[in-house]
Amino acid sequence: QAGLTQPPSVSKGLRQTATLTCTGNSNNVGNQGAAWLQQHQGHPPKLLSFRNNNRPSGISERFSASRSGNTASLTITGLQPEDEADYYCSAWDSSLSAWVFGGGTKLTVL
Amino acid sequence: QVQLVQSGAEVMQPGASVKVSCTASGYTFTGYYIHWVRQAPGQGLEWMGWINPNSGVTNYAQKFQGRVTMTRDTSISTAYMELTRLRSDDTAVYYCTRESGGFDMWGHGTIVTVSS
Repeated sequence: QAGLTQPPSVSKGLRQTATLTCTGNSNNVGNQGAAWLQQHQGHPPKLLSFRNNNRPSGISERFSASRSGNTASLTITGLQPEDEADYYCSAWDSSLSAWVFGGGTKLTVL
Repeated sequence: QVQLVQSGAEVMQPGASVKVSCTASGYTFTGYYIHWVRQAPGQGLEWMGWINPNSGVTNYAQKFQGRVTMTRDTSISTAYMELTRLRSDDTAVYYCTRESGGFDMWGHGTIVTVSS
């Protein structure tokens, strides 16, 4: 099944801003938006936002999501060492009747 | 405490079947879909399907059609995922996750190793 496209890696400096992207199509990201997950090595994923910019309780305001057309973005401001992790986007694909994931972006905080 | 607790690690022979459980606590089990997602070593997340714990209705990813069965026992708030005809490339961490807008709660994962 076709997945979403994410850059494999992004590197930014401490206290800088990182923007991660996720490209899909009109059946998934362009339709109902994307959700973003953070995963640290050896741990299950953690939901950061859903339906573009709804943050679950307890998620820092440093994480914000948006969408433009078929591309979703996750912006992380004031990067901290603990932000170094893998980030995945996900979306419901109405044509596949399936959830699809991006391949993940490894964020390195320098 | 709201959580999903999964069964322990499994080592299986090729061609065998594995059944992983996911027990919910701290919320109404029948109120949220349960999805199964797997992650092969060093790889990304792969969606396998969902079950509606209220009705038992399921929806499987095309890739796993015919090999996966998702069931639930509402009396013990537990969902199950059985994968048959295991191959070496089924070696992965298998997660159950609750859908509430996004996947807002995850089990700790069950490592399934397929090896002869």
